[in-house]
Amino acid sequence: GEDVEQSLFLSVREGDSSVINCTYTDSSSTYLYWYKQEPGAGLQLLTYIFSNMDMKQDQRLTVLLNKKDKHLSLRIADTQTGDSAIYFCAELHNQGGKLIFGQGTELSVKP
Amino acid sequence: GAVVSQHPSWVICKSGTSVKIECRSLDFQATTMFWYRQFPKQSLMLMATSNEGSKATYEQGVEKDKFLINHASLTLSTLTVTSAHPEDSSFYICSARDPDRTNYGYTFGSGTRLTVV
Repeated sequence: GEDVEQSLFLSVREGDSSVINCTYTDSSSTYLYWYKQEPGAGLQLLTYIFSNMDMKQDQRLTVLLNKKDKHLSLRIADTQTGDSAIYFCAELHNQGGKLIFGQGTELSVKP
Repeated sequence: GAVVSQHPSWVICKSGTSVKIECRSLDFQATTMFWYRQFPKQSLMLMATSNEGSKATYEQGVEKDKFLINHASLTLSTLTVTSAHPEDSSFYICSARDPDRTNYGYTFGSGTRLTVV
């Protein structure tokens, strides 16, 4: 199937690290993405990782990829209240170039 | 770079009328655009792939006569919701792929909130 799965909610305190997890199904996916969506808005690309990479770091964001387990995670260091949003992981299907999204994880950051 | 403009941001229409939503790539040419639908607190569901100069490819379960897609130029795709009904109320988001970006970069529009009354 084409299921991409994420946990639905995560609550952290300001200054802590947040880790959002995702599992995907298509082992041939070449790119995996993390998007951020604020209320009533479109999607903002946060970061992406190519399938031959294990890790990618971009300022406060760290992406880990375990291709064997088809597991992707996004770590946000020093989480701020402005990071509160819904985070979607997505895999790129080689066939048709479609992006398949997970259900989204709602991150709540408490002061 | 890679900006996608979507209009309108929100629209309210009466049942039975049609609504057109526009998706434009502002600084790149997009041979392929995608249309998604999102229900509250849910994920994005891919509705169709819009191909410039040819027919759109619809996902299973999406009525092509209900959701008309036109991609007449390399920078514009439109989605027309025909004979809209309250169950068509949703958040519609388009995205476009910039072929010059090596990460297969997909840029999303800001979405259109459709309410059918």
